[in-house]
Amino acid sequence: GQNIDQPTEMTATEGAIVQINCTYQTSGFNGLFWYQQHAGEAPTFLSYNVLDGLEEKGRFSSFLSRSKGYSYLLLKELQMKDSASYLCAVRVQPGYSSASKIIFGSGTRLSIRP
Amino acid sequence: NAGVTQTPKFQVLKTGQSMTLQCAQDMNHEYMSWYRQDPGMGLRLIHYSVGAGITDQGEVPNGYNVSRSTTEDFPLRLLSAAPSQTSVYFCASRRHQGTVGYGYTFGSGTRLTVV
Repeated sequence: GQNIDQPTEMTATEGAIVQINCTYQTSGFNGLFWYQQHAGEAPTFLSYNVLDGLEEKGRFSSFLSRSKGYSYLLLKELQMKDSASYLCAVRVQPGYSSASKIIFGSGTRLSIRP
Repeated sequence: NAGVTQTPKFQVLKTGQSMTLQCAQDMNHEYMSWYRQDPGMGLRLIHYSVGAGITDQGEVPNGYNVSRSTTEDFPLRLLSAAPSQTSVYFCASRRHQGTVGYGYTFGSGTRLTVV
């Protein structure tokens, strides 16, 4: 089966840095996505990692360790508009000739305080 | 460029009724999926498709049918609605081959209540 774990809620201060962790246990792992979802809206794509290491995109960075089944999303210089849920999603390919599918974790609700 | 269009945005059904949630995309994406989102449970995959004529089951397929007759459209049918199917439904699309790093583009969602 597939198992993806994230903290349910986190709180951080405007201007600070926050790290949101995601651990996964899946078969056929083939990449990890991060999405942002504001309340009442659809998710939007933030980042994708398939190889070990850090990917940086402006204030957001995402890290992956395939051997540890671990990823994190790092948000710098936090702004009030960063208050949202952050969803970790794993791309899995059940078999060589099978199509891949994307499975989501339950998400982390991040609140930013002034 | 409309992206992913879902209709309707809101729907109330009575138990036992059937209906179809519509999803269309104009980005020529091969890969399309349906998810449901319940409070505290994240997005759960219902069905997905890698191209016209090809569909597969996700994590929670029971009670739902899909078909993919064209690249653009991927409707989701509820066969006999149950209160447990009250949820927000999202359709999403992405390129399939060659650009695996691209994330989904999501539709705006359909909020379904079954009474």
